[in-house]
Amino acid sequence: NAGVTQTPKFQVLKTGQSMTLQCAQDMNHNSMYWYRQDPGMGLRLIYYSASEGTTDKGEVPNGYNVSRLNKREFSLRLESAAPSQTSVYFCASSGLGSYSTDTQYFGPGTRLTVL
Amino acid sequence: QKEVEQDPGPLSVPEGAIVSLNCTYSNSAFQYFMWYRQYSRKGPELLMYTYSSGNKEDGRFTAQVDKSSKYISLFIRDSQPSDSATYLCAILNSGGYQKVTFGTGTKLQVIP
Repeated sequence: NAGVTQTPKFQVLKTGQSMTLQCAQDMNHNSMYWYRQDPGMGLRLIYYSASEGTTDKGEVPNGYNVSRLNKREFSLRLESAAPSQTSVYFCASSGLGSYSTDTQYFGPGTRLTVL
Repeated sequence: QKEVEQDPGPLSVPEGAIVSLNCTYSNSAFQYFMWYRQYSRKGPELLMYTYSSGNKEDGRFTAQVDKSSKYISLFIRDSQPSDSATYLCAILNSGGYQKVTFGTGTKLQVIP
């Protein structure tokens, strides 16, 4: 039982390049989330998926797109990377979705640098 | 004003000390209160959560919530070097989706 896994662990991009961050969970959770973590800003929600087949914007969605490929997988895409997207990206999942107090389980993070 | 305010520290204490970590929040609709621990270069992991005013204990950790003051605290007794990490308070607003608002985190160092 690996929990939440993320790939890659590290990535360096040039401005304008695109990439997809992958996330998978093996806990049969309904809800999945993408956060970014920046110094002094804390964790900020980019997008979330309350259940398979649905996605919604969070606090800072601009410049990102997501795909909930199936119940296990939730990917984050940067279409045209900008230096402001340099950050640590965390994927998380939780069990029951809306109106739930279930714990969010986090992956190990992807450290992204955009030059 | 941020919805959740947390002193970033860093906080440095000797081994065995009692540590007090605090957050304030502004939205009285917040109902569920959590503390996450994040080791360097790792993802956050849930330490404790509570949904009522008062204290909740788990081993050396005590979470305290004062809804009237919109103030939450985490106390660590007999602190250990292994407690060195960043502690994030998090508050769940139980409306719509599971929206969690995180504090910016307090970095704690316990010196042997």
